[in-house]
Amino acid sequence: EIVLTQSPATLSLSPGERATLSCRASQSVSNYLAWYQQKPGQAPRLLIYDASNRATGTPARFSGSGSGTDFTLTISSLEPEDFAVYYCQQRSNWPPITFGQGTRLEIK
Amino acid sequence: QLQLQESGPGLVKPSETLSLTCTVSGGSITSTSYYWGWIRQPPGKGLEWIGSIYSGGSTYYNPSLKSRVTISVDTSKNQFSLKLSSVTAADTAVYYCVSATACISANCLNWFDPWGQGTLVTVSS
Repeated sequence: EIVLTQSPATLSLSPGERATLSCRASQSVSNYLAWYQQKPGQAPRLLIYDASNRATGTPARFSGSGSGTDFTLTISSLEPEDFAVYYCQQRSNWPPITFGQGTRLEIK
Repeated sequence: QLQLQESGPGLVKPSETLSLTCTVSGGSITSTSYYWGWIRQPPGKGLEWIGSIYSGGSTYYNPSLKSRVTISVDTSKNQFSLKLSSVTAADTAVYYCVSATACISANCLNWFDPWGQGTLVTVSS
């Protein structure tokens, strides 16, 4: 099973700042990694797929990078609606499909 | 546009079987373009993939739950379902039904999109 480790667990930033979230895989997943955003009381929403492609409706301030074992989700300038929990997910070697434990992005 | 909606009991007794249904609209459950699946999230915790089914009938389960899980499709109702047996309090979670498009290669699915809104299932006597 591929383990995904996200860091930090919590990130405290202010609107307008740049956010950098990390996801590390226990073995290579190539570029088979996605990022999801989850707001309280809502289902997760696909943001980034194949490591760097924005899903339909994802604002351009969101970008993904990385391959192999190290991945980054960057939000260039935080908007109030971006404060949420972010999960990475791999589909490279399945079953099982696995998720990271999440990073909570909170307002400072 | 594909839409998914979960339904089923919100309370299940320990040792019994949890049963949920996902109704698909905006697309056919028999389409070879999709995998249908379930993901759960215990209160305040992260996401756990339970399993997925392809339209041809192939099923894929999380090894940690495989002995207790069955995912099946009802083509007459355009629905798919989840059964989880011998539940305990640890199975209390929000259960999401999800779809993922199929890759060109076999035994391959893309990303989970869309998701149902989720349904909370509590295991308690």
